[in-house]
Amino acid sequence: EAQVTQNPRYLITVTGKKLTVTCSQNMNHEYMSWYRQDPGLGLRQIYYSMNVEVTDKGDVPEGYKVSRKEKRNFPLILESPSPNQTSLYFCASSEKRGNEQFFGPGTRLTVL
Amino acid sequence: AQSVSQHNHHVILSEAASLELGCNYSYGGTVNLFWYVQYPGQHLQLLLKYFSGDPLVKGIKGFEAEFIKSKFSFNLRKPSVQWSDTAEYFCAVNAGGYQKVTFGTGTKLQVIP
Repeated sequence: EAQVTQNPRYLITVTGKKLTVTCSQNMNHEYMSWYRQDPGLGLRQIYYSMNVEVTDKGDVPEGYKVSRKEKRNFPLILESPSPNQTSLYFCASSEKRGNEQFFGPGTRLTVL
Repeated sequence: AQSVSQHNHHVILSEAASLELGCNYSYGGTVNLFWYVQYPGQHLQLLLKYFSGDPLVKGIKGFEAEFIKSKFSFNLRKPSVQWSDTAEYFCAVNAGGYQKVTFGTGTKLQVIP
């Protein structure tokens, strides 16, 4: 089954404790992206990747890092999480830039 | 830079009413346009998309959208909504040659039985 998976689905952590949210897709898609969803603000793009080893900042990249060492995986790293990063995070992939995106189930992160 | 505006933040309709949700974007060149739906507690799913050709596009579940280039609009419509259409709807744009995808702030639709 074609899908985008994210782990963990729920995470409660404390300020400053490094964490990684994993994202994996099994569709051999080139383009992958991370979004955060906040009430009243919709989805905002954090980082995207056009292909392996090619990543770039989206609209809200501060406080986040990503890597794309393999085509299928695109982890989101929070080196020192802060409470303003409490949000619902979605990973998405598409065959190419500009095509429809397939979204993962979301990760609800709470930073205390 | 591209941007997307969804002016209706919260819409409440009775079943069988007609629906039109507004979406306007700001970019003068070629665009790919999308409508996604997010049912309560679920991830986003594609409703429909426009890349080129016929400006009236049909999607799943009876939804359609019309691309009007002169108005920079891509409004979503459905002739008769059902309770199961209760969800949040997002318009998104990817401008030609631009790598980012920009989403609108979303419209929450509540359909009353």
